[in-house]
Amino acid sequence: AQSVTQLGSHVSVSEGALVLLRCNYSSSVPPYLFWYVQYPNQGLQLLLKYTTGATLVKGINGFEAEFKKSETSFHLTKPSAHMSDAAEYFCAVSLLSGYSTLTFGKGTMLLVSP
Amino acid sequence: EAGVTQFPSHSVIEKGQTVTLRCDPISGHDNLYWYRRVMGKEIKFLLHFVKESKQDESGMPNNRFLAERTGGTYSTLKVQPAELEDSGVYFCASSQLRGGAEKLFFGSGTQLSVL
Repeated sequence: AQSVTQLGSHVSVSEGALVLLRCNYSSSVPPYLFWYVQYPNQGLQLLLKYTTGATLVKGINGFEAEFKKSETSFHLTKPSAHMSDAAEYFCAVSLLSGYSTLTFGKGTMLLVSP
Repeated sequence: EAGVTQFPSHSVIEKGQTVTLRCDPISGHDNLYWYRRVMGKEIKFLLHFVKESKQDESGMPNNRFLAERTGGTYSTLKVQPAELEDSGVYFCASSQLRGGAEKLFFGSGTQLSVL
């Protein structure tokens, strides 16, 4: 069984500040890891993913995440927050390949103040 | 190319009524998934179609929920009768036949409110 824990249901940052959204997972086998973003009144959009290879992955809008197997973590970062980054972010895990379904965390709402 | 489309975007019904949600996947996508997010909780898997067949329906909460995908194109999710705890956002996602979770496209969701 897999599970995902996102620390903090809400994270507030100032515009220009570092964004750090935490995600820890548990999985009995090496997982695929994902970050999704949901802007108001929109669907879930894939931000970035880790499948295999380089553990630091870069996504859209300047976000990146690092897979740390020893810490079972996949934290999402962005060096400088922008007002348009305000949204809800979801970390998710799936098994490798096949018809694997996603297991999501509870989500973290990112609030960006001027 | 059109994305995954869900209808309606919002639905408000009374307890005991019936509601049908619809999902139109991306053309050519054989995999279709339904997920649900109850307020304050995580997004959870409901079921998975491969073409018109149910591949996995282990996440369906109870027999008040019925999903269909006739002809392997669009899918419907019917809740009958609806209960208060069914309120939430229902997401649909699709992918090509050999697409894993890393190739999913999600719709905007249907916000269901049961009063």
